[in-house]
Amino acid sequence: AQSVTQPDIHITVSEGASLELRCNYSYGATPYLFWYVQSPGQGLQLLLKYFSGDTLVQGIKGFEAEFKRSQSSFNLRKPSVHWSDAAEYFCAVEGASSGNTGKLIFGQGTTLQVKP
Amino acid sequence: DTGVSQNPRHKITKRGQNVTFRCDPISEHNRLYWYRQTLGQGPEFLTYFQNEAQLEKSRLLSDRFSAERPKGSFSTLEIQRTEQGDSAMYLCASSLGAMTGGRETQYFGPGTRLLVL
Repeated sequence: AQSVTQPDIHITVSEGASLELRCNYSYGATPYLFWYVQSPGQGLQLLLKYFSGDTLVQGIKGFEAEFKRSQSSFNLRKPSVHWSDAAEYFCAVEGASSGNTGKLIFGQGTTLQVKP
Repeated sequence: DTGVSQNPRHKITKRGQNVTFRCDPISEHNRLYWYRQTLGQGPEFLTYFQNEAQLEKSRLLSDRFSAERPKGSFSTLEIQRTEQGDSAMYLCASSLGAMTGGRETQYFGPGTRLLVL
């Protein structure tokens, strides 16, 4: 069965420091991978997605992610974190099912805290 | 494009009562998804519609849960005889699935937070 693991439940970084959030997936075929961000009391906003092609994907708000098939990983990075980046981050894979359902399987999330 | 909207945003109910949530997707999006998110967890898929047809339901969706999407526009999720374990955030998402031939982004609404006392 498909699954997504985010090993870090909670991460604290200083403002201006670099950030890397880890995501590992389990999926037999070529995965479709996503990173979403959720601020308190709000829905999920898409940061970036990988379907095919270039394995380094650029997203909104200065985020990028790199797909590494050999490591089954899709880690999210940002060179310099801003206080407004404090939120919960979810990695997701599009699950396989009978037909093209598009349903997403999410990791349990990583909460990012930014220190001034 | 006004985004996905959900109503109500918050609902407090007593155990055993029925509740209904509404989701209005982005207009012209043919796919609509419902997810449930409990505290400290990622969203879990519940069910999805392609136009008005409900094409898949998770085993998480017990007999007390029912979802509809009449005329392929808005959707409702009803929970009958609520239990304390139903307390969660219920998220709706919509997308332009399949018709364009590729994977499409799901756009999420703000969610409905349910508390069952």
